[in-house]
Amino acid sequence: GDSVTQMEGPVTLSEEAFLTINCTYTATGYPSLFWYVQYPGEGLQLLLKATKADDKGSNKGFEATYRKETTSFHLEKGSVQVSDSAVYFCALRGWGGGTASKLTFGTGTRLQVTL
Amino acid sequence: DAGVIQSPRHEVTEMGQEVTLRCKPISGHDYLFWYRQTMMRGLELLIYFNNNVPIDDSGMPEDRFSAKMPNASFSTLKIQPSEPRDSAVYFCASSLGSSGANVLTFGAGSRLTVL
Repeated sequence: GDSVTQMEGPVTLSEEAFLTINCTYTATGYPSLFWYVQYPGEGLQLLLKATKADDKGSNKGFEATYRKETTSFHLEKGSVQVSDSAVYFCALRGWGGGTASKLTFGTGTRLQVTL
Repeated sequence: DAGVIQSPRHEVTEMGQEVTLRCKPISGHDYLFWYRQTMMRGLELLIYFNNNVPIDDSGMPEDRFSAKMPNASFSTLKIQPSEPRDSAVYFCASSLGSSGANVLTFGAGSRLTVL
């Protein structure tokens, strides 16, 4: 079945550092890929998405490119801020409807940004 | 739109008691999902509905768990009897359509503590 693998956390960075959170996936067909963010005590919010190979999703300075050849969707940000401290989840939604309609999540990566 | 509305936000109960969690999806959305989040197991899909019909309940942990969607604007997740290992945050999400491009929007979650 579909699966998502994320790098283990926590990731601790100083403010203005470069961020990369690795994500790889296993799926049949042509899934769509997502990054969700969860701030402390809150629900999950969509950060960005990409629906086909070579698409780049971007939002709030974060970017991720759908790489079908490496089955990856790594999250990057050039300069993190303290307010980016949160848990980041990589996810995929299958192709073809039916039971593929569910969203499969990675385990999440906690990011802590310090001054 | 007010988004996905969940209640209660917090529930503390004693082992053996019945727990009912409620969800109001975004108006017009035809898919509704129930997820559970724990430290040990991350985000797990419990069940999802399409047009009020359960499509996949393979994630429901055991017979103590049941979910209903009597109409397009309301769903419940019931645990009877509750056990301490059911302590978790339960999220409801909804989406319009099943294609990967359709985003799941999550509620704020219901934090359940079973003593």
